[in-house]
Amino acid sequence: NAGVTQTPKFRVLKTGQSMTLLCAQDMNHEYMYWYRQDPGMGLRLIHYSVGEGTTAKGEVPDGYNVSRLKKQNFLLGLESAAPSQTSVYFCASSFAGIGSYPQHFGDGTRLSIL
Amino acid sequence: DAKTTQPNSMESNEEEPVHLPCNHSTISGTDYIHWYRQLPSQGPEYVIHGLTSNVNNRMASLAIAEDRKSSTLILHRATLRDAAVYYCILRDVGGQNFVFGPGTRLSVLP
Repeated sequence: NAGVTQTPKFRVLKTGQSMTLLCAQDMNHEYMYWYRQDPGMGLRLIHYSVGEGTTAKGEVPDGYNVSRLKKQNFLLGLESAAPSQTSVYFCASSFAGIGSYPQHFGDGTRLSIL
Repeated sequence: DAKTTQPNSMESNEEEPVHLPCNHSTISGTDYIHWYRQLPSQGPEYVIHGLTSNVNNRMASLAIAEDRKSSTLILHRATLRDAAVYYCILRDVGGQNFVFGPGTRLSVLP
């Protein structure tokens, strides 16, 4: 099993450009999450989804949009990239609510906004 | 929100046991205690989790205090591959958020 796969692994954007980060999981998990990690810090939750067709805001949702059209995919969009969005983005999935189930993470997308 | 407190860094010698502490004095009765680790340039990796009782798996052991206000992740024989940042996390009371603090950076010396 591939687990959680993130595409692309690296990307450089100019301020104002848009892009979409793709997360795919093959574990039939209901819950999916997008986090960002800035240098020397822990992860912060951007958006999450508790099932196909659902999305919800996390701790730092501004400037991002998400969609979960298929159960196995969770897309993170930046409509107008800003330098403050330079970060490493991690996607995660879990079988059910996080209390008793672990999250499985991808290897991240390193995004630089110039 | 229930928060955790961990030492910023710890050092261990290879093949020795490592005890990584975590304080969570505001934990609620239904919060699970999760441990993850993050190797350089990788995503976080699940290590272990528990609610009240001590837990063991192939990677580590989790010792939970009787009052649940603290816990300890135990690596029985540290290897160089165990050098990572270790995060102690509680389920967010309000919903789905995993609150990641800065974690403990573990260095393993050969």
